[in-house]
Amino acid sequence: KQEVTQIPAALSVPEGENLVLNCSFTDSAIYNLQWFRQDPGKGLTSLLLIQSSQREQTSGRLNASLDKSSGRSTLYIAASQPGDSATYLCAVRAAGNKLTFGGGTRVLVKP
Amino acid sequence: DAGITQSPRYKITETGRQVTLMCHQTWSHSYMFWYRQDLGHGLRLIYYSAAADITDKGEVPDGYVVSRSKTENFPLTLESATRSQTSVYFCASSDMAYLVWYNEQFFGPGTRLTVL
Repeated sequence: KQEVTQIPAALSVPEGENLVLNCSFTDSAIYNLQWFRQDPGKGLTSLLLIQSSQREQTSGRLNASLDKSSGRSTLYIAASQPGDSATYLCAVRAAGNKLTFGGGTRVLVKP
Repeated sequence: DAGITQSPRYKITETGRQVTLMCHQTWSHSYMFWYRQDLGHGLRLIYYSAAADITDKGEVPDGYVVSRSKTENFPLTLESATRSQTSVYFCASSDMAYLVWYNEQFFGPGTRLTVL
């Protein structure tokens, strides 16, 4: 059974610092990995989708890397801002088009 | 409005009552999903549907029923609500490209359900 882990569960950084969020998964037989952002009391917003054949995907200040063989993905957020404060979730897609989610990392960016 | 919507956004009900949560998407996506989000368990898949009239169980299907008579709607019914079904419920949808597994899932705003 696929298990997805995100460590740390919470992270606090000063504004301007780069954020590094980690995601690990136990079964490397994935089709892709998706990073989401969730604000308190809100739904999930898709940030990046990285296919199993890709090593990296970028969107603005966000960059996600994927090392399928080692079961790891990292989301980098450059020059963090208070508006980046949210919970970040990673999810892997395997057979059946089903997503398995990690527990999330709660990020606080202090002004 | 374009996108994926859920109703109601908040619901309080009593143990034993039947509750239906609605999900509607305007993209004509083939796939639709229901998840629940709980502290300590994260997001877990309840049911999903690959197309109209095709549904399948996810990780935690017990106590839930789904149907999909139209592509755009995917209601979730709790036939006899229990306190353990108190949760936030998210609906999601995903398109089906020629490489079927490659597409993003897009989420609705969620329904916060409390069972007393």
